[in-house]
Amino acid sequence: ETGVTQTPRHLVMGMTNKKSLKCEQHLGHNAMYWYKQSAKKPLELMFVYSLEERVENNSVPSRFSPECPNSSHLFLHLHTLQPEDSALYLCASSQDPPGQLNEKLFFGSGTQLSVL
Amino acid sequence: GDSVTQMEGPVTLSEEAFLTINCTYTATGYPSLFWYVQYPGEGLQLLLKATKADDKGSNKGFEATYRKETTSFHLEKGSVQVSDSAVYFCAANTGNQFYFGTGTSLTVIP
Repeated sequence: ETGVTQTPRHLVMGMTNKKSLKCEQHLGHNAMYWYKQSAKKPLELMFVYSLEERVENNSVPSRFSPECPNSSHLFLHLHTLQPEDSALYLCASSQDPPGQLNEKLFFGSGTQLSVL
Repeated sequence: GDSVTQMEGPVTLSEEAFLTINCTYTATGYPSLFWYVQYPGEGLQLLLKATKADDKGSNKGFEATYRKETTSFHLEKGSVQVSDSAVYFCAANTGNQFYFGTGTSLTVIP
């Protein structure tokens, strides 16, 4: 099993659909993250969870709703998205809690989302 | 605010050529610095890191030295291979959060 697994790999949805992205980490880490990767832009941090509690929400629109039911699983629920939300959504985990300089991020392969 | 700036690509090199990808950071304090690599269809993988000034991170023939005086962390490799074709991201961990550059696409041709 790879360390961080994301499903689905690809998702096409209409603006009125509701879908969910799933992330699972098999590393025993305590923190999990959602990032958005768009072409020619730096990775954008969306949400951070530490020990299942949300510790950061970087002014993300409410059409994105995260859920962290336990330390191994993270979801991103999507509702009434816009075409500009099309991007690669990356999940990451870290052993250390956010805010530690020694923290290293381990990424999944991402979900390529297209909003029509 | 804190940020990371890296050279824009794409970069195309012949096999066995020398590679440099420039990276500079803006941050208060002393961040930890990282290079991540993203192969086609994959997520980011940690390539190397350095946590304090003058530290050299190295892995798979790649090297980068933490230069505090120039706030830089340039990635180098003496002889690239076709398998090195990927997108390379410079990142800084300020202790508050990670800041990533925009990525530099490298293509190595035989």
